[in-house]
Amino acid sequence: QSALTQPASVSGSPGQSITISCTGTSSDIGRYNLVSWYQQHPGKAPTLIIYEVTKRSSGVSPRFTGSKSGSTASLTISGLHTEDEADYYCCSYAGGNTPGLFGGGTKLTVL
Amino acid sequence: QVQLQESGPGLVKPSETLSLTCAVSGLSISSGYLSWIRQPPGKGLEWIGYISDSVTTVYNPSLRSRVTISVDTSRNQYSLKLSSVTAADTALYFCATGGGPSFNDWGQGTLVTVSS
Repeated sequence: QSALTQPASVSGSPGQSITISCTGTSSDIGRYNLVSWYQQHPGKAPTLIIYEVTKRSSGVSPRFTGSKSGSTASLTISGLHTEDEADYYCCSYAGGNTPGLFGGGTKLTVL
Repeated sequence: QVQLQESGPGLVKPSETLSLTCAVSGLSISSGYLSWIRQPPGKGLEWIGYISDSVTTVYNPSLRSRVTISVDTSRNQYSLKLSSVTAADTALYFCATGGGPSFNDWGQGTLVTVSS
């Protein structure tokens, strides 16, 4: 199974909104409403921010919103803060043998 | 509060077996899901496999022939073994709760370098 496709990088200014896409296929994102998003700061372990496409993990700011259309999931961050600068990864269920298929990651730069 | 701590040799020779442990606290080791995930330096995340309820294992098809995940309930720890390693297996290895795609609690990771 191929990795999900994410843009290598996105950028935005403080206060702006950005969206990170995560494109899969009809065998993963397109078939299941089981997409998670992770935030990873340099030198740190990833943290779960969105699960089941739209649900925010406990303590996560409402500025983070997940959505899905067809085989593409998206993470939108509104009102960018400098501390949002990090790498973001999507992950989808792709069947019983591949419950965790990751995207390649997107580096968010807050200018 | 769930805490996970990976440990193991930081250097493994090519063709040998990588062995790591994940010590856990704050959760029942005999139930639930525990996954191993790795991240090559400067690259993305790759799910390796999980063990559930201390019995059932599911492995990434690309690694299945080389991976074994098990649990030692007496020591409250999980283990990962990856055989016949090459330089491509050099990575930061994480253990995390959950079977995917949601991994809720993560260890800090342990770096393993494959080199002679």
